[in-house]
Amino acid sequence: GQQLNQSPQSMFIQEGEDVSMNCTSSSIFNTWLWYKQDPGEGPVLLIALYKAGELTSNGRLTAQFGITRKDSFLNISASIPSDVGIYFCAGVTQGGSEKLVFGKGMKLTVNP
Amino acid sequence: GAVVSQHPSWVICKSGTSVKIECRSLDFQATTMFWYRQFPKQSLMLMATSNEGSKATYEQGVEKDKFLINHASLTLSTLTVTSAHPEDSSFYICSAHRRGHSSYEQYFGPGTRLTVT
Repeated sequence: GQQLNQSPQSMFIQEGEDVSMNCTSSSIFNTWLWYKQDPGEGPVLLIALYKAGELTSNGRLTAQFGITRKDSFLNISASIPSDVGIYFCAGVTQGGSEKLVFGKGMKLTVNP
Repeated sequence: GAVVSQHPSWVICKSGTSVKIECRSLDFQATTMFWYRQFPKQSLMLMATSNEGSKATYEQGVEKDKFLINHASLTLSTLTVTSAHPEDSSFYICSAHRRGHSSYEQYFGPGTRLTVT
């Protein structure tokens, strides 16, 4: 089945630093999504990308949809302690019922 | 808006018993609901897609007779884990697709932690 490779798996940063993470796939996706999950909670949508090459921001978050439609990255600028959590990328499959395929997640720790 | 609830938030049951988990869309109608399973430190894995008024579609490797899904209304889907075993212990998360919107708009519930002893 389709799989998304997400890296890095974890990061430890100081408050105020920027962080980047990316996701690659062997398959093409027409929609890329980035979610954040807090412990014991469901994922919350951060950013949705619909067009190859698209660059979208949501506050301190910026995400881009790769030109090949096989990759995407997410940047968080000026991190704060509440950015702690697990970040997942997800691609939306095509044809019939559109389903989400998730990456393995990146655990972010922010030291105050 | 677009709130999804799950009940219970956690449950402990004995091996061999059945457990029902409810997923509700509180302020919108959901034509499609999705059930995921997440093991510790793992990603979300889609188990099945549930459409209102029809049979659920299960992903490869998911036993439909073990994980019974019912989507009887536009705001409620249930997942019943039958004859649960310790290996079924996991975090079960549902999501709901808002009627009239594209499928990527899935709103996730807070999850249900199932522990089978």
